[in-house]
Amino acid sequence: EPEVTQTPSHQVTQMGQEVILRCVPISNHLYFYWYRQILGQKVEFLVSFYNNEISEKSEIFDDQFSVERPDGSNFTLKIRSTKLEDSAMYFCASSEGLSYEQYFGPGTRLTVT
Amino acid sequence: KNEVEQSPQNLTAQEGEFITINCSYSVGISALHWLQQHPGGGIVSLFMLSSGKKKHGRLIATINIQEKHSSLHITASHPRDSAVYICAVNNGYQLTFGKGTKLSVIP
Repeated sequence: EPEVTQTPSHQVTQMGQEVILRCVPISNHLYFYWYRQILGQKVEFLVSFYNNEISEKSEIFDDQFSVERPDGSNFTLKIRSTKLEDSAMYFCASSEGLSYEQYFGPGTRLTVT
Repeated sequence: KNEVEQSPQNLTAQEGEFITINCSYSVGISALHWLQQHPGGGIVSLFMLSSGKKKHGRLIATINIQEKHSSLHITASHPRDSAVYICAVNNGYQLTFGKGTKLSVIP
């Protein structure tokens, strides 16, 4: 069965450093998403991406965040200058269409020290 | 902004019990999702509903659009069902999540 993959599974970085989290969505899916979950809290929407552009973003997704689909398979989330409060699990997801079932990757645990 | 409330927050059941988890939301939606989050953190989609009822194995999900309410039922619960169950609603491109219900099924 096709699945969403994410790398790395765990990333440790120092405050102020840039990180790139990578995702490979399911190949025939058209919509891509990033979510985050701070430890012990609920999952939060960050951004959705369709047709090579951001379709919606949350208040959390400020100027330090960016997303890109650099080629036909990868979907990346860049955090430009990490802060301690960016420590969280980041999930990528993809779906065939809007309001379709979303398939989640296993997540990347980001630890900012 | 949609508010998603789940109840109960925590649930402990004996193996074999029938379980119900509830979800209510404040604003009309295009779809509602039930997700399962395992202790390791991974999230699996269980159901996506826009109306009526869906069944998959021992799991049943229902939604009442007029009352803005959905339920997830687990029949003949098993210890492997122990997980956090999350309700999330679609508003446009965005999913809004509930806080989750932590289910523990004791043998």
